[in-house]
Amino acid sequence: EPEVTQTPSHQVTQMGQEVILRCVPISNHLYFYWYRQILGQKVEFLVSFYNNEISEKSEIFDDQFSVERPDGSNFTLKIRSTKLEDSAMYFCASRDNRGNTIYFGEGSWLTVV
Amino acid sequence: AQSVTQLDSHVSVSEGTPVLLRCNYSSSYSPSLFWYVQHPNKGLQLLLKYTSAATLVKGINGFEAEFKKSETSFHLTKPSAHMSDAAEYFCVVSAQIGNEKLTFGTGTRLTIIP
Repeated sequence: EPEVTQTPSHQVTQMGQEVILRCVPISNHLYFYWYRQILGQKVEFLVSFYNNEISEKSEIFDDQFSVERPDGSNFTLKIRSTKLEDSAMYFCASRDNRGNTIYFGEGSWLTVV
Repeated sequence: AQSVTQLDSHVSVSEGTPVLLRCNYSSSYSPSLFWYVQHPNKGLQLLLKYTSAATLVKGINGFEAEFKKSETSFHLTKPSAHMSDAAEYFCVVSAQIGNEKLTFGTGTRLTIIP
C-alpha cells in the first residue's frame, strides 16, 4: 500500500540552527500538508500546499517556516532559526484530488536544545 | 469554524469487552469526520471516515462509528477489545467546503486490561 514517508525520523538541533524536514508524499497525490504535535498537546495544522503554492497556513506558520516542493517527489518543511518551542513531532500528509482522505507519514521528531 | 471535543482523555477496558470512545463536533458546514489512531512511536493511521454517505461507518480492525447529526456526535465503538487496540485515538473534523484543514481533538488514550 502506498504511504507517505518522512526523514529524518528524529533530529536534535541547537537553538538558532536551520532544520529541513523531508517528506515523500504518495505519488499521485496533489495536496500536501504539514501538521505538528507538541508533546502532550493536540495535533495542529501548519500549512497546506497545492499547485506549487501555499493554499492555507495557520498562525503558527510564521516567517520562520517555509515549504517547498523542489522536485516531483519531495515536499520539505524548513525552519530557519529554530526555537526551543519548535520541539515537536512534525507530520507530513497528502491526499489526491478526488477524495478527502488525508494520509499521514510516521512523523519526524524534532528536539531543539 | 469547526471544533472537536473528545470527552474522555483516558479510557480503560478489559480485553474482550466493548470499547466506546466519545466525540462531539461543531462545524459551520456539513462536516467530514474521521478517526485516526496513533500507536506508540508510530504515525497517524486512518481508522474510518464519514463523508455524508451512510451514517454508520465501518473501519479497520473491527471499529465503527455512527454519525448523529441531531447529537453532533461521532462516537467510535468496537464490540470486543483486543490488546493490540491500545493506542491514542483522535477524532478529527474537516469542513467539506473550501477548507482542507483538519481539526483534531485532544485524543483519547485507550488502555486494554488483560
